[in-house]
Amino acid sequence: DVKVTQSSRYLVKRTGEKVFLECVQDMDHENMFWYRQDPGLGLRLIYFSYDVKMKEKGDIPEGYSVSREKKERFSLILESASTNQTSMYLCASSLLASGSTNNEQFFGPGTRLTVL
Amino acid sequence: GQNIDQPTEMTATEGAIVQINCTYQTSGFNGLFWYQQHAGEAPTFLSYNVLDGLEEKGRFSSFLSRSKGYSYLLLKELQMKDSASYLCAVRDKNSNYQLIWGAGTKLIIKP
Repeated sequence: DVKVTQSSRYLVKRTGEKVFLECVQDMDHENMFWYRQDPGLGLRLIYFSYDVKMKEKGDIPEGYSVSREKKERFSLILESASTNQTSMYLCASSLLASGSTNNEQFFGPGTRLTVL
Repeated sequence: GQNIDQPTEMTATEGAIVQINCTYQTSGFNGLFWYQQHAGEAPTFLSYNVLDGLEEKGRFSSFLSRSKGYSYLLLKELQMKDSASYLCAVRDKNSNYQLIWGAGTKLIIKP
């Protein structure tokens, strides 16, 4: 059974703290993604990675950084958490897109982060 | 620019049929996905369309018209467990083949 796991389901942090969100997948997928999801806005891509040590900015990278030292692990870092980063964070993984093949994304359960 | 539109909320009756529409504008269309997301849970894959026409999978079907920039998800014989949000996403080859997501349609099923 394919699986994407995230380190925490719920997290409460204070403004200014450094926050680490970890994501691990066991499907040997090349692509990994970090999204945030807020009511009425849909999924917004923060960063993605298509290979080890590779990263690409998504639509809203400001205030975030990522690390991919191993193929199965993709970490999201909030260098100095702010209240506007309170959100649901979803990690996903997929195979590389090849032509028009179906490379569906598999999602982790999400981390609900609250920054006070 | 890129844009995906779908209704914010829909209501339907148990046992009935509902159609959720999705319109999109993107320069490099390379496939369309539908996902289901129950409240508090992660999205799960439902269907994928890249060619025009209808893809059927049990009670769920998805249709695509590339010339019209239009897709719909059809749910038949609705069950209470179908109450969820349904997300439309378009893969764009001009954006590193990443998915452009709609805001989702919240479907409420009433007995």
